[in-house]
Amino acid sequence: AQSVSQHNHHVILSEAASLELGCNYSYGGTVNLFWYVQYPGQHLQLLLKYFSGDPLVKGIKGFEAEFIKSKFSFNLRKPSVQWSDTAEYFCAVKRSGGYNKLIFGAGTRLAVHP
Amino acid sequence: GAVVSQHPSRVICKSGTSVKIECRSLDFQATTMFWYRQFPKQSLMLMATSNEGSKATYEQGVEKDKFLINHASLTLSTLTVTSAHPEDSSFYICSAGLAGVANTGELFFGEGSRLTVL
Repeated sequence: AQSVSQHNHHVILSEAASLELGCNYSYGGTVNLFWYVQYPGQHLQLLLKYFSGDPLVKGIKGFEAEFIKSKFSFNLRKPSVQWSDTAEYFCAVKRSGGYNKLIFGAGTRLAVHP
Repeated sequence: GAVVSQHPSRVICKSGTSVKIECRSLDFQATTMFWYRQFPKQSLMLMATSNEGSKATYEQGVEKDKFLINHASLTLSTLTVTSAHPEDSSFYICSAGLAGVANTGELFFGEGSRLTVL
């Protein structure tokens, strides 16, 4: 069964700092990868996704992620964070094709200080 | 994008009663919906996969007699928490994807339903 590991449970940054959140998954086959964000009191929103093609994926709000197949990783990055990026970030993986189960990592809580 | 709506968004009930939560795909058809549970400050745990017109598939450790799932149409799945107890208090979230040729494998999430059992 696939699993997802997020290395940082809680990250605190100052505005304008760069962000990188780690995500590793375990599954030997072809996968689809996602990063979701959950702002305080709101529901999950899709930041970006990787299905195939260019392993460097650009999402909304200046976020990007790079799929490195050899490392089973899909790290999320943003060059300069803003206070409004304060939220919880979830990495998720599913087996490629159709509606296989989407499995979430434990989440990383990001706090950005002005 | 596609919209998934849940109702109610919040529900408070007494211990021993049953509560039904609805999940609707508002502008698309969904042959498959997923139900998740999120405890405070924790991740989403998949409870079950709901398939239109057939029985749901439950994850290991999830009691199917306690969490009844019905997917009667391509736009509606319901989760009924039977004989609810305080430990069932949680945030329940559904998700759905597009059916047929529009299927990209991407899931869309509802806004969640917060259940509090007194």
